[in-house]
Amino acid sequence: DSGVTQTPKHLITATGQRVTLRCSPRSGDLSVYWYQQSLDQGLQFLIQYYNGEERAKGNILERFSAQQFPDLHSELNLSSLELGDSALYFCASSVTGEVNYGYTFGSGTRLTVV
Amino acid sequence: EDQVTQSPEALRLQEGESSSLNCSYTVSGLRGLFWYRQDPGKGPEFLFTLYSAGEEKEKERLKATLTKKESFLHITAPKPEDSATYLCAVRGGMFSGGYNKLIFGAGTRLAVHP
Repeated sequence: DSGVTQTPKHLITATGQRVTLRCSPRSGDLSVYWYQQSLDQGLQFLIQYYNGEERAKGNILERFSAQQFPDLHSELNLSSLELGDSALYFCASSVTGEVNYGYTFGSGTRLTVV
Repeated sequence: EDQVTQSPEALRLQEGESSSLNCSYTVSGLRGLFWYRQDPGKGPEFLFTLYSAGEEKEKERLKATLTKKESFLHITAPKPEDSATYLCAVRGGMFSGGYNKLIFGAGTRLAVHP
């Protein structure tokens, strides 16, 4: 167990729907990162939050949004889902806003859009 | 554009047969190269961070080395439990989403057979 908790583990939904993925970082970690892993694209950075504030943004679609709450858990909201959004979504956390020593990843949420 | 290329895509070894995985990178000013191990259906697990050419890190049967253009992950006398996908990543530069973004390669799928 890495200490980073992601729920749900699996999610099956229909095109056009909206889902929310949840992440609780390791105790003491202030920064949360979201990544998408698909077969054709590999691991792609989506967004980073540090202590409630957005710190860095990757190629995140406008249909996707995220936030980090005062208790430091984070949610990734995916709307108007398309078949191509099917992927593994990983959350990672680190103590500071810097990635000097690597992230700690959670086990991921597998999203299937049908 | 910052880029990471890993080779080979897949590698099959017999138990005890040592080998190396390659990670070639292009980044505007290296601020850290990371190796992760990923088991099927799980999140990447941090192995090493390397910062400067000539640096080496070791952990059990794994040794990571770094040059100015590539990194190698040497696996000595591997065991079946070393079977996994090994991912290489670099910290992004200023123009690729920020320094806290990790740019991952596609990975090398390693299978070690008894």
